[in-house]
Amino acid sequence: QVHLVESGGGVVQPGRSLRLSCTGSGFNFENFAFHWVRQAPGKGLQWVSALSFNGGNRFTEDSLKGRFTISRDNANNSIYLHMSSLAPDDTAVYYCVRDLGRFVSGSSDYWGQGALVTVSS
Amino acid sequence: SYVLTQPPSESVAPGQTARITCGGNNIGRKSVNWFQQKPGQAPVVVINDDSDRPSGIPERFSGSNSGNTATLTISNIEAGDEADYYCQVWDSSSDRGFFGGGTKLTVL
Repeated sequence: QVHLVESGGGVVQPGRSLRLSCTGSGFNFENFAFHWVRQAPGKGLQWVSALSFNGGNRFTEDSLKGRFTISRDNANNSIYLHMSSLAPDDTAVYYCVRDLGRFVSGSSDYWGQGALVTVSS
Repeated sequence: SYVLTQPPSESVAPGQTARITCGGNNIGRKSVNWFQQKPGQAPVVVINDDSDRPSGIPERFSGSNSGNTATLTISNIEAGDEADYYCQVWDSSSDRGFFGGGTKLTVL
């Protein structure tokens, strides 16, 4: 069955960088686009970024552009989110989400369990 | 930016029908997805593309979308349906995803 497992979360100081990873199994990873979605404590869901099956189409929330970069390594069945200049407002659970298709459609089926990122001094 | 508006809360008695709305400008022209999230858990897709129900989701869950309002309907409400529900769209004009603020469904 399909599994998505996020890793790389933790406590990081303001201004520092962090890279989240999401590894998929149980399906043909290279045939799907992926998203990152985050949820601040006690708050709603916020779309962060998306990437097509081959990395050719990359989209990021406007307010995060320049600090957050999505990438993928199909050979290792992995999606990454590189986050820089982190601020307390970036504290959230970050979810890896599989799109329904090869190109970003916005519809999804599987979500990982999430990785908690806490930005604090 | 595309704004999706959901009521913060809805309450319904067991066995009744819950209707959760998601308002957006001409949302009927977009494809709407709905997610259920229970405390401490990741969201689960309950409706894709306005009205498609993924495998494993009960037939009690249905969706519709027209004009400026999309609606998630849950019939014959059970205690286990108590959760937060979020609507979501992909705006192809800006290539960005948007979520509604979420609706907390309480089963009385």
